[in-house]
Amino acid sequence: DAGITQSPRYKITETGRQVTLMCHQTWSHSYMFWYRQDLGHGLRLIYYSAAADITDKGEVPDGYVVSRSKTENFPLTLESATRSQTSVYFCASSVSGALANYGYTFGSGTRLTVV
Amino acid sequence: SQKIEQNSEALNIQEGKTATLTCNYTNYSPAYLQWYRQDPGRGPVFLLLIRENEKEKRKERLKVTFDTTLKQSLFHITASQPADSATYLCALDTTSFSGGYNKLIFGAGTRLAVHP
Repeated sequence: DAGITQSPRYKITETGRQVTLMCHQTWSHSYMFWYRQDLGHGLRLIYYSAAADITDKGEVPDGYVVSRSKTENFPLTLESATRSQTSVYFCASSVSGALANYGYTFGSGTRLTVV
Repeated sequence: SQKIEQNSEALNIQEGKTATLTCNYTNYSPAYLQWYRQDPGRGPVFLLLIRENEKEKRKERLKVTFDTTLKQSLFHITASQPADSATYLCALDTTSFSGGYNKLIFGAGTRLAVHP
């Protein structure tokens, strides 16, 4: 989607490797989110951020680390990749909790395979 | 814990008919509810938001209802077209549980197939 970019689009990595998924948005949205999407589970929240330097855990944070030193970037790092982290990862951004009329804007996703 | 249920079976309808998708939730009192469309290989796209004090919301051929007593939202697409074929996701606000942060939890989605 225009304005929010995820990279890489596809990634294959080995078990135990560190992997970083990138997310960049150009709207200066306060809120950013990382979700993973798996068959049968739908979208599950990994981490979210309400502003630069403010992050918090979501539903499934174990094995992941995030940072947000700049408003526009929200990278997700898998410290030591496991096969259970094979999934499609979506980054999203939002204006704010109070102005929810616009919903979330999602990136196109990163398909990660851990072998 | 909060739970959102959408029909996991695909909904197949004929072009021109009205498609109705259901979203049920439990253990929850969301301030608002959102619907998204997701095409294969793409991220979800926001469609509509409805607040707890709104019974119905419309946007072109789309209509959403929100019954907080039944804990249910219905999503309707009238005069459906093959281009409407996609997976539709329901999402609930968790602000009341998350200290004011705008977080959504999503249902697994229902796949809609509109046949010519």
